Amino acid sequence: DAGVIQSPRHEVTEMGQEVTLRCKPISGHDYLFWYRQTMMRGLELLIYFNNNVPIDDSGMPEDRFSAKMPNASFSTLKIQPSEPRDSAVYFCASSLHRDRNSPLHFGNGTRLTVT
Amino acid sequence: DQQVKQNSPSLSVQEGRISILNCDYTNSMFDYFLWYKKYPAEGPTFLISISSIKDKNEDGRFTVFLNKSAKHLSLHIVPSQPGDSAVYFCAASVRSGGGADGLTFGKGTHLIIQP
Repeated sequence: DAGVIQSPRHEVTEMGQEVTLRCKPISGHDYLFWYRQTMMRGLELLIYFNNNVPIDDSGMPEDRFSAKMPNASFSTLKIQPSEPRDSAVYFCASSLHRDRNSPLHFGNGTRLTVT
Repeated sequence: DQQVKQNSPSLSVQEGRISILNCDYTNSMFDYFLWYKKYPAEGPTFLISISSIKDKNEDGRFTVFLNKSAKHLSLHIVPSQPGDSAVYFCAASVRSGGGADGLTFGKGTHLIIQP
């Protein structure tokens, strides 16, 4: 099993540019999560999907952030326009079931730097 | 408002000794707790969990203790090994939140095992 795959690993962009982060969940997992990690706030849940449908996006900080899951094997998180305060590590995670015994499997993250 | 608090950003322990990582929570609705471990440039990985109906759960060198009255849990690692050097995240979920979507993470504690 390849695990959750995220790309790119690193992204450096200028303020105002569009940024797209990509995620391939573990095959067969029906839940997909996007998290953001910063020093100030730790790990925050941004949005999660069940069977490709967004369930809760209350963690998305602003309208500049959007996420899609066009099929079971691919999701994107887009920031448009990006700002320096968006600099963080963004993690994608997937899980098999929405229950206590199905832990999250995280990807290795995308480190985003907005200058 | 941090509902899950890890007040020690870092902890240094000698190899072979016991490592104790602490976590406090404020939400009395939390009823399931997890610990995740994170190496640099990797995503967090699930380590151990405990339900509120228990006060201890053990898995090899790792034991999690839960004190509901104090709203406190701790992770004990004994004996500590060099490979245990990582950032440890405490996480909690509420009953109504069900599974992974209800996870609230602490900011993490960086454990350093000294040879």
